[in-house]
Amino acid sequence: GESVGLHLPTLSVQEGDNSIINCAYSNSASDYFIWYKQESGKGPQFIIDIRSNMDKRQGQRVTVLLNKTVKHLSLQIAATQPGDSAVYFCAETPNSGNTPLVFGKGTRLSVIA
Amino acid sequence: EPEVTQTPSHQVTQMGQEVILRCVPISNHLYFYWYRQILGQKVEFLVSFYNNEISEKSEIFDDQFSVERPDGSNFTLKIRSTKLEDSAMYFCASTGTGNEKLFFGSGTQLSVL
Repeated sequence: GESVGLHLPTLSVQEGDNSIINCAYSNSASDYFIWYKQESGKGPQFIIDIRSNMDKRQGQRVTVLLNKTVKHLSLQIAATQPGDSAVYFCAETPNSGNTPLVFGKGTRLSVIA
Repeated sequence: EPEVTQTPSHQVTQMGQEVILRCVPISNHLYFYWYRQILGQKVEFLVSFYNNEISEKSEIFDDQFSVERPDGSNFTLKIRSTKLEDSAMYFCASTGTGNEKLFFGSGTQLSVL
């Protein structure tokens, strides 16, 4: 079946460096994507979303890039801080009717002080 | 900032017992969801609920599961006869716009012994 997945299960970065977390999706009908951050013992926290009619969207210190040609999504975190340490999930949906969000497996980001 | 509230934070039960997990979604939201996450794995969709009925459910959401919105504020997930494999973190989520920007609670950790 179609699914959303992540290239790298773990990522370690030096504090102050930029982080890039990648996600591949296989559902060509997907047109809405979200990145969530999950800290230990907590629920997923919304970071940023993007629709398929956009290639890039920026938030505060975060940028999401969408490449529909290769069905690839990435989350860039600028000037990574210790508080960014968490598991990051991408999620997608065709956004048709009430089709639920499908989550990827997650990437653990560890920030080295 | 409004948030989704879940109780209890931890629930321990014996196999075969019934459990009810409780959620208070964000007050002006119309769409409600239950997801679960087995330790170390991705977040999995269970069920969505809109206009006082189930909109969609996954294969996980079998006859042992039910949801209810007993009043204007609570949204509950009942597992009728728990199994060992039901042990997981259960997340409630809500949104005002149907499958976009879901806001998650902190979860209920269910342990079935």
